[in-house]
Amino acid sequence: DAKTTQPTSMDCAEGRAANLPCNHSTISGNEYVYWYRQIHSQGPQYIIHGLKNNETNEMASLIITEDRKSSTLILPHATLRDTAVYYCIVRARAGSGGKLTFGQGTILTVHP
Amino acid sequence: GAVVSQHPSRVICKSGTSVKIECRSLDFQATTMFWYRQFPKKSLMLMATSNEGSKATYEQGVEKDKFLINHASLTLSTLTVTSAHPEDSSFYICSAPVDREGNTIYFGEGSWLTVV
Repeated sequence: DAKTTQPTSMDCAEGRAANLPCNHSTISGNEYVYWYRQIHSQGPQYIIHGLKNNETNEMASLIITEDRKSSTLILPHATLRDTAVYYCIVRARAGSGGKLTFGQGTILTVHP
Repeated sequence: GAVVSQHPSRVICKSGTSVKIECRSLDFQATTMFWYRQFPKKSLMLMATSNEGSKATYEQGVEKDKFLINHASLTLSTLTVTSAHPEDSSFYICSAPVDREGNTIYFGEGSWLTVV
């Protein structure tokens, strides 16, 4: 799976949008971008994934650049409960069987 | 929706003893499950792949005799930490893909192990 680079930490004010970047310059054509988050002392939670088109669900939006070398996870209206470590993972969707390789992630702190 | 459950959520054991952690898929069958460990302020590290009806596949550097994995049914995988030492104290997390390709993956709540 391709390597990803994320900022170590970010801050965001409650109610504002949180934009979390991820660099994946070595991504290959069959690899998807997945985002998970981990709230303290819990298992990771799936957020969203995409291949090349922008995606949106009830939790977040995912913007993938045209060259697919980077992406941004957007939490449109961050709340205190969104404080967590956010992991950007690039993996081939087919054939990997569910194995995930976690990087260090971004610690997002949402302030009142 | 699909849920993966771990038990116990927290366990304290004495050095030298063994402790078992269970990972269950509650409303789906999982022929494969994954075990991770996580030290404080560190990322998750894959330990092994648990395969129903066959031997687990361990990642490089993980002792298979130390971390025994059994996947006896399509809904249950167990991780047994044998002859536990304080350095085995960690957060252990399992995951299971809902589908064979691993497109949708759910994680358990995690199990905190403290060895005293």
